[in-house]
Amino acid sequence: AQSVTQPDIHITVSEGASLELRCNYSYGATPYLFWYVQSPGQGLQLLLKYFSGDTLVQGIKGFEAEFKRSQSSFNLRKPSVHWSDAAEYFCAVAPLNTGGFKTIFGAGTRLFVKA
Amino acid sequence: DTEVTQTPKHLVMGMTNKKSLKCEQHMGHRAMYWYKQKAKKPPELMFVYSYEKLSINESVPSRFSPECPNSSLLNLHLHALQPEDSALYLCASSQGGRGANIQYFGAGTRLSVL
Repeated sequence: AQSVTQPDIHITVSEGASLELRCNYSYGATPYLFWYVQSPGQGLQLLLKYFSGDTLVQGIKGFEAEFKRSQSSFNLRKPSVHWSDAAEYFCAVAPLNTGGFKTIFGAGTRLFVKA
Repeated sequence: DTEVTQTPKHLVMGMTNKKSLKCEQHMGHRAMYWYKQKAKKPPELMFVYSYEKLSINESVPSRFSPECPNSSLLNLHLHALQPEDSALYLCASSQGGRGANIQYFGAGTRLSVL
């Protein structure tokens, strides 16, 4: 079945520590891949995207993600977390056969940052 | 300008009321979306308009009625809602056309149905 999996419901990291949020997808062909961030009561902001090409993509706010076809993964990383990074993070895919219109979100990972 | 504006920010309505949510963008985007997001859950796609035509309806109950009067405006008309329809309703827009569509989201309308 087609799915997007974020195995960690929540993660706590210390400020200044590195971060990795996991995302796995299950689709016949590599879909378009996204990471979004959502602060409480707010809309979603795009952090980065992968369509094709270089498998290491850079995003805003110092985030990067690496696409690994062999593992069907698109993990999000940040070398040094700031307190303002505390939020909900969603991995999302847009299957190619929907023309890129239908975006399916993972369940989300809530990031807590401790001082 | 990458802004999608949603009004109102908050809405409380009774089960017999009729209300509308409004979404506006001035980025020249030709695709617009409605999502429903329950607390602690991911957004769920409801409708997609492409070039002002409804292209995706994710089997949404008829008490939700979308409308796209022009390429900049998207409405969601609400009638006879149920308490379980209480949620954050997000609007998004994207460039449109087939291919990768980066979606820009509004801040949402928080709806409470009493």
